[in-house]
Amino acid sequence: EDQVTQSPEALRLQEGESSSLNCSYTVSGLRGLFWYRQDPGKGPEFLFTLYSAGEEKEKERLKATLTKKESFLHITAPKPEDSATYLCAVGNPETSGSRLTFGEGTQLTVNP
Amino acid sequence: DAGVIQSPRHEVTEMGQEVTLRCKPISGHDYLFWYRQTMMRGLELLIYFNNNVPIDDSGMPEDRFSAKMPNASFSTLKIQPSEPRDSAVYFCASSFITGGDQHFGDGTRLSIL
Repeated sequence: EDQVTQSPEALRLQEGESSSLNCSYTVSGLRGLFWYRQDPGKGPEFLFTLYSAGEEKEKERLKATLTKKESFLHITAPKPEDSATYLCAVGNPETSGSRLTFGEGTQLTVNP
Repeated sequence: DAGVIQSPRHEVTEMGQEVTLRCKPISGHDYLFWYRQTMMRGLELLIYFNNNVPIDDSGMPEDRFSAKMPNASFSTLKIQPSEPRDSAVYFCASSFITGGDQHFGDGTRLSIL
């Protein structure tokens, strides 16, 4: 069974204080690892897809990296508008077709 | 361009009533997904369709839940009869290809009294 665990559950940062969110996963075959951002009252918004270990992707202050067991979402010099819940998910073509298995999310708060 | 559109945004009804949630996917997307999100269980996939055909409904909690996709631009999720434990936010998402990133609607917040 595919499993995704995110840590920490919640993170409070001061504006400009860089940090990382972790997503650990267990799958028999990885089709892709997906990062989403979710604002209150909204649906998850797609950020990145990573397909293989060593891959990195960047968008503004966010950078996602992938190893064989985990992914990190690095946030550099965050701003209050980066406050949201960040979700990661994995797809496994061997067991689940187009299904994604989501983690519980990390709730990020950036204080001005 | 328009994203995934869900209606209604909020629904409050009494236990035992039928509830119908609606979704219009992004034009051209071949896959449509229905999710449920709660504090206790997070985001769970209920069912997904490919080219209007249900592919995996293993997440549908019980026979009270049913989903249809009569055409490429419309899907419904129905709960009959509804129960208080069905209270959650229900999301619809669509994607262009298998394995592709999914685009979510803003959800329907359902409260069953």
